[in-house]
Amino acid sequence: DGGITQSPKYLFRKEGQNVTLSCEQNLNHDAMYWYRQDPGQGLRLIYYSQIVNDFQKGDIAEGYSVSREKKESFPLTVTSAQKNPTAFYLCASAYPGSNQPQHFGDGTRLSIL
Amino acid sequence: RKEVEQDPGPFNVPEGATVAFNCTYSNSASQSFFWYRQDCRKEPKLLMSVYSSGNEDGRFTAQLNRASQYISLLIRDSKLSDSATYLCVVNPYSGYSTLTFGKGTMLLVSP
Repeated sequence: DGGITQSPKYLFRKEGQNVTLSCEQNLNHDAMYWYRQDPGQGLRLIYYSQIVNDFQKGDIAEGYSVSREKKESFPLTVTSAQKNPTAFYLCASAYPGSNQPQHFGDGTRLSIL
Repeated sequence: RKEVEQDPGPFNVPEGATVAFNCTYSNSASQSFFWYRQDCRKEPKLLMSVYSSGNEDGRFTAQLNRASQYISLLIRDSKLSDSATYLCVVNPYSGYSTLTFGKGTMLLVSP
């Protein structure tokens, strides 16, 4: 079945540590996205990529980094510079075009140890 | 002004009720519109796209008023399984999908 796989489901970060969240899709979508959701808040865009080897900052990119070396994969690294990383992280993908909806993976919950 | 605004709710309704959610958006050049559903501690899932002429999918009806920059979702004959948070989502850009999400309206359907 086609879909978006995020791993791990739960992740704990120690102070000063970088952690990487995985996102893989087999939907043949060109565009991929990372969002952060805090309790009671809407989704906020961290980074997005419309095509392999290219990506753009979203609204809250500070303290995060991404790469897009393959169409299927868009990993997100939460660096030690991100001082408040505890949140629900969601990866999404979509076909090109403004009328295309995004489809989400089931998310990774990141907490501070 | 917030880009996408929704009533936070919660809306508490009995089974079988009709409930309406409203949403306003600030960017008049917005290109496309969606309603997503998010269950507690789960990912958002696409409920339906919203078309200019309005559209219906079973018990769900979506309407768009571009002049007023207003989107609505009507749920008829509410089921217990409709309990969730409903997200109004807008794409302000042409050419590619970059979505702006409202904070959502929580619906609680009781027996």
